[in-house]
Amino acid sequence: GIQVEQSPPDLILQEGANSTLRCNFSDSVNNLQWFHQNPWGQLINLFYIPSGTKQNGRLSATTVATERYSLLYISSSQTTDSGVYFCAPRTGNKLTFGGGTRVLVKP
Amino acid sequence: DGGITQSPKYLFRKEGQNVTLSCEQNLNHDAMYWYRQDPGQGLRLIYYSQIVNDFQKGDIAEGYSVSREKKESFPLTVTSAQKNPTAFYLCASSLQGLNYGYTFGSGTRLTVV
Repeated sequence: GIQVEQSPPDLILQEGANSTLRCNFSDSVNNLQWFHQNPWGQLINLFYIPSGTKQNGRLSATTVATERYSLLYISSSQTTDSGVYFCAPRTGNKLTFGGGTRVLVKP
Repeated sequence: DGGITQSPKYLFRKEGQNVTLSCEQNLNHDAMYWYRQDPGQGLRLIYYSQIVNDFQKGDIAEGYSVSREKKESFPLTVTSAQKNPTAFYLCASSLQGLNYGYTFGSGTRLTVV
């Protein structure tokens, strides 16, 4: 099956800093989602992005399907951005999750 | 408001017992999914269902069973054959087709005591 690698595994940011999270995947995909998991475990959909670039407030994402990677940008980070970020490419009927990037934003 | 409801939020089970986790959605989604998450790791697919009365095994189906008698409901049973059931279980749903994303419930934390 498809392999999904996320980097870095851990990220510590000072409030106000910018960062980039990366997701590499091994096969062609139909689609890709980015999620934020809060400390209570809830998965919140951030982006649904098979290709191209999307922006939502301080967050934006870019997927280059032909090169099999996606990037999530966090600008002007806030403490509420802390949590785990997952990318999940879709192949057929399944989402496959990477191991996540654990982000801690310090005040 | 439309959404996915998982219950209970916390569940304790004695070794050797079967336990059923509930997942209900009112989004009118066709497809439903069960994932398992272990501490510090990503999610792994247990079972999924595209339509009523039909379901398929995911990557880690051993020791689990499901049913899909209604479009809105997709309960997961963790059987005594599951050797390490302590985990966080997440249910999701989506519309049919490749152009739709998944929506997740808030999860059930199962602990074997």
